[in-house]
Amino acid sequence: KQEVTQIPAALSVPEGENLVLNCSFTDSAIYNLQWFRQDPGKGLTSLLLIQSSQREQTSGRLNASLDKSSGRSTLYIAASQPGDSATYLCAVIPVDDYKLSFGAGTTVTVRA
Amino acid sequence: GAVVSQHPSRVICKSGTSVKIECRSLDFQATTMFWYRQFPKQSLMLMATSNEGSKATYEQGVEKDKFLINHASLTLSTLTVTSAHPEDSSFYICSATSSGTTDTQYFGPGTRLTVL
Repeated sequence: KQEVTQIPAALSVPEGENLVLNCSFTDSAIYNLQWFRQDPGKGLTSLLLIQSSQREQTSGRLNASLDKSSGRSTLYIAASQPGDSATYLCAVIPVDDYKLSFGAGTTVTVRA
Repeated sequence: GAVVSQHPSRVICKSGTSVKIECRSLDFQATTMFWYRQFPKQSLMLMATSNEGSKATYEQGVEKDKFLINHASLTLSTLTVTSAHPEDSSFYICSATSSGTTDTQYFGPGTRLTVL
């Protein structure tokens, strides 16, 4: 059974600092990996999707890397802003299934 | 594009009553919809997968008679929590895909259920 772990569970940084969020998964046979943002009491917003054949994806200040063989993905957020405060979730879809397996998330607070 | 809505956004009900939550894909046809449950500070747990016109597939440990799912059209799926109890209080989120179960899932804004 796929298990997804996110470390740290919470992170607080001053505005302007770069953020590094980690995600690890136990089964490297994945179809793709996604990073989501969740604001308190809200649904999920997809940030980046990395196919298993890709090593990274970039969107604006966000960059996500994928090392499938080691079961790891990292989300980098450059020059953090208070508006980046949210919980960030990673999720994987295995090659032999269609179900997303989610990590518990990293709650980020960016201090002004 | 690819917007998913949920209604209601929050609901409070008395123990023993039933609550229906709607999930709609607004600008695409959703061949598959997923229902998740999320407890505070925990990850989303998949409850069931529904395909239009067929019975939902429930995850292990999810009571199908308690959580009734109907996917009657390509734009609407409903989750009915029957005889709700306080332990059913949670955040319920749906998602939808347009062209296959491994396609990108688009998530609704969630429904906060509180059972008194």
